[in-house]
Formats: sequence, structure tokens, C-alpha cells
Amino acid sequence: GEDVEQSLFLSVREGDSSVINCTYTDSSSTYLYWYKQEPGAGLQLLTYIFSNMDMKQDQRLTVLLNKKDKHLSLRIADTQTGDSAIYFCAESSSGSARQLTFGSGTQLTVLP
Amino acid sequence: NAGVMQNPRHLVRRRGQEARLRCSPMKGHSHVYWYRQLPEEGLKFMVYLQKENIIDESGMPKERFSAEFPKEGPSILRIQQVVRGDSAAYFCASSPYEDGYTFGSGTRLTVV
Repeated sequence: GEDVEQSLFLSVREGDSSVINCTYTDSSSTYLYWYKQEPGAGLQLLTYIFSNMDMKQDQRLTVLLNKKDKHLSLRIADTQTGDSAIYFCAESSSGSARQLTFGSGTQLTVLP
Repeated sequence: NAGVMQNPRHLVRRRGQEARLRCSPMKGHSHVYWYRQLPEEGLKFMVYLQKENIIDESGMPKERFSAEFPKEGPSILRIQQVVRGDSAAYFCASSPYEDGYTFGSGTRLTVV
């Protein structure tokens, strides 16, 4: 079945850029998403990219998609302490009635 | 617009009891999805419903779990005869179409 993998932890200093990586296996993925989860909260959609795009930028967030390598990344510029959270990569494929497959999440810790 | 409302936020049940989790979708949203998050894991799809119809229940355990989304009222995820392994966070999401999920804050179920 489909699989989405992420590294578990990332630490950066405040003001630096963070890059969170994700790989997926489903070649029929149509949309790829990044969600943010703060402690005890639900998931907040940060951004998404359609599979025929290479890059999407939205303020401090840049998403890069390498469809050939099935690699997705999220870059957060000028990382702030409020960015500390778990970041989930997710994908949906055309035949699944919009069922999302999530990675296990990357815990981002921003150090002062 | 109050967002996706889930209740209760926390639920404690003894082994063998029933758990009922409620989800009120955003106003105007007719698609509801349930996901389960086990500790330190990503979310796993359980079921996708529209009003009075189960569209995709491929992620639901075969026994003890059921879901409904009646014509009136919230969507209900019911777990009968709970076991310790059912302890997890259960998230509901809604969308106006088969896209654009908005997640609720989740119900954290603890089975003691």
C-alpha cells in the first residue's frame, strides 16, 4: 500500500531556516499536503501542492516537489519559537475518494 | 463559523464499555472523515461519510467499530467493548466537496 515517511525530529535556532523532508511511494498521488499540529490540538492545513507543480511559495513557507524521486520538502524561512510543533506530510491519490495517507510527523523544535 | 466541533475532548472508558465520539462538521459541509492517531504516529484513515451514506470504510476495524452521519445531527463514531489498544486520538474532518479538509481538535480516548 501507500507509504509516507518523514524523519522524526528536527532542531533549529530561531531565525534560521527549517527544512522538513518527506518521501512517498504512491506514484498516483494528486495532492500533497503539509499540516501542523500543536500539542493537544487538531491539524492545521499549512499548504498543499498539486502533483504537476514543482514549487509553491506562501509567505515564509516554500514547498518543493520532486515527482521523479517522490520527495517533498517544506522550508520555513526565519523560523520562530511559535513554529515549534509536529509537521505532517500527507498525500491523496485520485482513486481513493480523498482519503489522506499521513507520515508519522516531524517534531520541529526551535531553540532561542 | 465555529469550525469542526468534536466532543468530548477527553473520554475515559473502562475495558468493555462503549465509547461514542461526536463530530459536528462545519456549516455547509456534507462530507465527514474520521481518522485515528495512535501515540507518536501519523493519522490513519478510518471512514468517509456523506449524509446517511458510508462512502468508504476501508480503514475501519472489522469488529466493534461503526460510524454514522444521520440526516440531522452530528456524525457519531461508536466503539463497542473498548480495549486498551483503542486508546488514541480520534480526529474528524469535514469538507464541502471531496477536498479541502478542515480538522477538528480531536477526542482523546483513554481506556483503563
